Amino acid sequence: QITLKESGPTLVKPTQTLTLTCSFSGFSLSSYGVGVGWFRQPPGKALEWLALLYWDGDKRYSPSLLSRLTIAKDTSKKQVVLSLTNMDPSDTATYFCARTFNSTFAVHWRIFDYWGQGTLVTVSS
Amino acid sequence: EIVLTQSPATLIVSPGDRATLSCRASQIVNHNNVAWYQQKLGQAPRLLIYDAFIRATGIPPRFSGRGSATDFTLTISSLQSEDFAVYYCQQYDNWPLTFGGGTKVEI
Repeated sequence: QITLKESGPTLVKPTQTLTLTCSFSGFSLSSYGVGVGWFRQPPGKALEWLALLYWDGDKRYSPSLLSRLTIAKDTSKKQVVLSLTNMDPSDTATYFCARTFNSTFAVHWRIFDYWGQGTLVTVSS
Repeated sequence: EIVLTQSPATLIVSPGDRATLSCRASQIVNHNNVAWYQQKLGQAPRLLIYDAFIRATGIPPRFSGRGSATDFTLTISSLQSEDFAVYYCQQYDNWPLTFGGGTKVEI
């Protein structure tokens, strides 16, 4: 059974750095084609892709947040960590992690079939 | 960046109705690299369709997708009560990955 779960602070102050952890089970991030992505969704708004980390260490970031984002993995702990610096109230959102689709076609490794429940992060002083 | 525009923003329908949701891309999406997700209130997205028309595992046949180039459609042939949700399209042809603004299907 594949599961993912996000964890981290629910409240951060402006200018602080947000660090979120995605803990997963049921798959290995060292398996060919596997990736874990991060997304966010401000209250009442649409989904936004943030970053994606693949089994081979390849990392992709949203250009609009590139200077503030870092994604990293701890394969042995089965965790993927996302850091977002210089938090602002506009970063208030539910943050999700998700696993890439299992396929022999590389382009499908940009689709997401298993998601965590999400964690709401509020930015306020 | 490929911008996806979904319409309508809200679709008001009744159980048993047919619902047609549109997703228009700002440039050609090659190889129909478009996916659709369903999101219910307070839940994570659920993958419905990929490659514009292929249903993901366990998705009932009342969900169908079609389209090419810049215009893509998700159709729900006969709405069930559990289908009332927000639907998002996603393109995975180009980086960055982008989502549409969503269509809310409500009673």
